[in-house]
Amino acid sequence: QQQVKQSPQSLIVQKGGISIINCAYENTAFDYFPWYQQFPGKGPALLIAIRPDVSEKKEGRFTISFNKSAKQFSLHIMDSQPGDSATYFCAASMDSGYSTLTFGKGTMLLVSP
Amino acid sequence: DTEVTQTPKHLVMGMTNKKSLKCEQHMGHRAMYWYKQKAKKPPELMFVYSYEKLSINESVPSRFSPECPNSSLLNLHLHALQPEDSALYLCASSQDVRKTYGYTFGSGTRLTVV
Repeated sequence: QQQVKQSPQSLIVQKGGISIINCAYENTAFDYFPWYQQFPGKGPALLIAIRPDVSEKKEGRFTISFNKSAKQFSLHIMDSQPGDSATYFCAASMDSGYSTLTFGKGTMLLVSP
Repeated sequence: DTEVTQTPKHLVMGMTNKKSLKCEQHMGHRAMYWYKQKAKKPPELMFVYSYEKLSINESVPSRFSPECPNSSLLNLHLHALQPEDSALYLCASSQDVRKTYGYTFGSGTRLTVV
C-alpha cells in the first residue's frame, strides 16, 4: 500500500514558468513533509519541508502548500530554470518511535530553455 | 561539516566477489541509514542504525551485511551479489532515529554487479 501518492510522473515546463507537483498521503499520523531534489548520479538533497501547523512555506522560488483536511501538499517552483531539471520526491514521516521517510514515486521535471 | 561522504563513488563487482561500501558523517548524528535506489524509483530503506545498534532490517537478503563500527562510520559489506542488486546505494544520517528533519543523504555508490 503506497502511503504517499505523487503526481505527475513527469513534467515539462518552459523556462520562467511555474512547476507544480502534487502529493497526497493517507496516514494522518504523518507530521513532517519534506521535498527532496535529486540530480542524476547524486543523492537526494532536502529542498524544503513543512509541518502541518502551517498552510504554506516559501523559500526563494520554492513554495510548499499544505492542506491538512484534504491530506495533500504540493511543491510550486516559480520562475522555473533549466537548472531546476531534476527528479523531485515528496516524503512524509512521523517524529515518534522509529521515524523513517515514506517517499512518493518521484516526478521528473524538465525545464526547457 | 554538513556532509555524508560515501566511498567508492562507483563499484563494479563480480558475483563471487566480496566488497564493502563506506559511509562517514561528522555531524554528530546518531541515526544512520542504508537505502537502495533503482533507476527512476524512490530510495528504498534497507537498514537503520540507532546509536550504533541495528534497529531496522527491512528483510534485506543476507548477502548484504551492515556494520556500524562507531557513531561516524557505517559500512555495507557485499558478498555473492546478483546482477539485480545493481543500483545506487545511498547512505543517510539524521540527528536521532525519532527525528527525520535534518535528514542528510550522501551522493551514493553506483554499484554494478556483473
